Amino acid sequence: DTEVTQTPKHLVMGMTNKKSLKCEQHMGHRAMYWYKQKAKKPPELMFVYSYEKLSINESVPSRFSPECPNSSLLNLHLHALQPEDSALYLCASSQEIFQPQHFGDGTRLSIL
Amino acid sequence: GQQLNQSPQSMFIQEGEDVSMNCTSSSIFNTWLWYKQDPGEGPVLLIALYKAGELTSNGRLTAQFGITRKDSFLNISASIPSDVGIYFCAGRTLSGAQKLVFGQGTRLTINP
Repeated sequence: DTEVTQTPKHLVMGMTNKKSLKCEQHMGHRAMYWYKQKAKKPPELMFVYSYEKLSINESVPSRFSPECPNSSLLNLHLHALQPEDSALYLCASSQEIFQPQHFGDGTRLSIL
Repeated sequence: GQQLNQSPQSMFIQEGEDVSMNCTSSSIFNTWLWYKQDPGEGPVLLIALYKAGELTSNGRLTAQFGITRKDSFLNISASIPSDVGIYFCAGRTLSGAQKLVFGQGTRLTINP
């Protein structure tokens, strides 16, 4: 069982919808990450939070908006997504930034 | 950007055989990680390596951090059906943002 919990497991949304992905960890990790993964490809880094502050934004379009309400929670707010944004969105955490990361099982996102 | 060359891309083996895969880079890394990803799940950390020449085992898995710091390999001995999945190497760079760079993955299929 993963110690990084992501909800929902699956999400289908239209291009005009607003939705949020949630990630939670209770390992006391101070760094949290969002990755995007397309089929048969490795994860691609989107955002990194360290001590609840955004440390890295990998030039992600503004239709993706991350939020870190506290050290255990990480959200990804979605608005006006495109069909090419359909992918598996993975959350990860690590003790400190860029130490070995532990991944959740992801949210499978489909954009209609 | 930095890239990791992971090979082979796919392997088809018989149950009980040993497996070997590797990652190489033109850049030096200070950490090598090996992950396994099953369908519908997030990557699971198998082994983390921190020093050049380090050899670490986790059950039937053995991984080594290359002496040049530009490569790593993963061996699986006496493969079993649950070893099926995609294996990713990941390296942490020495300079700049020190992000994790992922290989393209090795897809392992086992014939019983």
